[in-house]
Amino acid sequence: AQSVSQHNHHVILSEAASLELGCNYSYGGTVNLFWYVQYPGQHLQLLLKYFSGDPLVKGIKGFEAEFIKSKFSFNLRKPSVQWSDTAEYFCAVSRPSLDSNYQLIWGAGTKLIIKP
Amino acid sequence: EPEVTQTPSHQVTQMGQEVILRCVPISNHLYFYWYRQILGQKVEFLVSFYNNEISEKSEIFDDQFSVERPDGSNFTLKIRSTKLEDSAMYFCASSGPGTGELFFGEGSRLTVL
Repeated sequence: AQSVSQHNHHVILSEAASLELGCNYSYGGTVNLFWYVQYPGQHLQLLLKYFSGDPLVKGIKGFEAEFIKSKFSFNLRKPSVQWSDTAEYFCAVSRPSLDSNYQLIWGAGTKLIIKP
Repeated sequence: EPEVTQTPSHQVTQMGQEVILRCVPISNHLYFYWYRQILGQKVEFLVSFYNNEISEKSEIFDDQFSVERPDGSNFTLKIRSTKLEDSAMYFCASSGPGTGELFFGEGSRLTVL
């Protein structure tokens, strides 16, 4: 069965530290890749997505992610985090289907806490 | 910017009661989804809906659950007889054709007592 693994359930960093959150998936075919963020008490928001093309994807708020097909990975990075980045981050994978029905397979999420 | 809206934002109900959660997807979207997130756990797929019928559903989506698009704008999730373990945040999402990107509503928190 398809799965999405996020390596860290909790990450605590100080402001200005660099961030990398790991995401690996198990599906071998063509995939669409997403990172969603959920700020405390809020709904899910798209951070960035990869469908095709340049494997280094830039998203909102200074986040980027790199798709490495050979490693089945789509790690999220930010060079210098801010207190406002405190949130839960979810990696998700979908595979295109004939009827364009995209069911996302979700990782378990990584809770990121930034210490001021 | 178009957005997915959900009502109610929070509902408290007694075990065994019926609950209807409502969603208004983005107007030109064709694919609709319900997800749930039990407190502290991952987001779980419940069901997807296209062309007025269910296209996929998970094991969670048993006979207690149903979805409907009653009037061309609303997309509802009904839980027929709620159980304690149905307490969760329920997210509605919609997507347009060929994008693969889901747009989420703010969620409806359901508390079953």
